[in-house]
Amino acid sequence: AQKITQTQPGMFVQEKEAVTLDCTYDTSDPSYGLFWYKQPSSGEMIFLIYQGSYDQQNATEGRYSLNFQKARKSANLVISASQLGDSAMYFCAMREVQYNTDKLIFGTGTRLQVFP
Amino acid sequence: DVKVTQSSRYLVKRTGEKVFLECVQDMDHENMFWYRQDPGLGLRLIYFSYDVKMKEKGDIPEGYSVSREKKERFSLILESASTNQTSMYLCASSGWDRDYEQYFGPGTRLTVT
Repeated sequence: AQKITQTQPGMFVQEKEAVTLDCTYDTSDPSYGLFWYKQPSSGEMIFLIYQGSYDQQNATEGRYSLNFQKARKSANLVISASQLGDSAMYFCAMREVQYNTDKLIFGTGTRLQVFP
Repeated sequence: DVKVTQSSRYLVKRTGEKVFLECVQDMDHENMFWYRQDPGLGLRLIYFSYDVKMKEKGDIPEGYSVSREKKERFSLILESASTNQTSMYLCASSGWDRDYEQYFGPGTRLTVT
């Protein structure tokens, strides 16, 4: 069965520093997609970044980059130059293809706190 | 601007009541999803739908049903609410674009007393 594991319940980082949030996954499907979402205290889920299993290069979106190591089945999120507004829950998710639609399987999340 | 809306941000219901949670998307997306979110458990899929009048069970469908009569609207129904259904409920939609990214609504925090 497909599974997403986030082993860090909470992380602290100082403003302007970089931080890595860990995510490992398990799947036997050769075609899959990996997502990171941010959830601030207000509750909405905000899409951050996507990596396809056949993508040759690591995905980047502004200050966010995804460190994709296929052989290790890891998809860590790197946030560079942390800002106070980055304090939130972060969820890693994997796309599972079924019935011509796409389900997402989520990890349990990591709470990131950025301090001045 | 893409938008997924949910009928209520906060809802308080009594045990045994029938509860309707409504979700509407304006992106003409084919796929819609209902999740519940609990601390330490992440998001768990309750039901999803890939077309009008089509529905599929997710990982935790027990105690819930859904309805999709129109493409833009996906309703979650708690037939007889119980205290263990107190949770945050999130609706999402996705289409065949943007790598199947799911767009989420703001969530409904349901308390069953």
